[in-house]
Amino acid sequence: GQQLNQSPQSMFIQEGEDVSMNCTSSSIFNTWLWYKQDPGEGPVLLIALYKAGELTSNGRLTAQFGITRKDSFLNISASIPSDVGIYFCAGQNYGGSQGNLIFGKGTKLSVKP
Amino acid sequence: EAQVTQNPRYLITVTGKKLTVTCSQNMNHEYMSWYRQDPGLGLRQIYYSMNVEVTDKGDVPEGYKVSRKEKRNFPLILESPSPNQTSLYFCASGRSSGRALRTGELFFGEGSRLTVL
Repeated sequence: GQQLNQSPQSMFIQEGEDVSMNCTSSSIFNTWLWYKQDPGEGPVLLIALYKAGELTSNGRLTAQFGITRKDSFLNISASIPSDVGIYFCAGQNYGGSQGNLIFGKGTKLSVKP
Repeated sequence: EAQVTQNPRYLITVTGKKLTVTCSQNMNHEYMSWYRQDPGLGLRQIYYSMNVEVTDKGDVPEGYKVSRKEKRNFPLILESPSPNQTSLYFCASGRSSGRALRTGELFFGEGSRLTVL
């Protein structure tokens, strides 16, 4: 089935640093989404991208939908301790299976004050 | 308050003892899904439902059953739990139209941590 390759698997950064993570696939997607899971909770949607080439910001977060429709990246600027958690990318393909949403394996972010 | 509620949040059980994890949402969502989360493996889909009485297998359906008799509820049933089903389980809901999850936005419950001895 379709798979998403998310990298890096984990990151240890200093407070104030910028963060970048990405997701790639061998298949094209109609929608790319980024979720964040705080420790002990369920994932929550951060950003949704619906058009190839789209660049969207949500506060200190910026995400882009790759032109080829096979990749997406998420940047976090000036990280703070509450950015700690697991970030998941997800792709949606209207012609696919699995309820049309496939998740990457996640990037675990740790922020040192 | 819009939410997805799972119960129990924590459970320790023994091999072979049937159990049910309940999931209820109050957002009138058509779509509901179950995931399990294991270290290094991310979120893997177990079963999903596009609407009442419509369910489909996800990536890892073996050993699980589901039913969707009402729009708001989507219970996960482990008929004969085994230790390899020890995991953190998440229920999620979203809006769907026809066979597609609309917008891709899912609302997750807080998770149910299951340990099978």
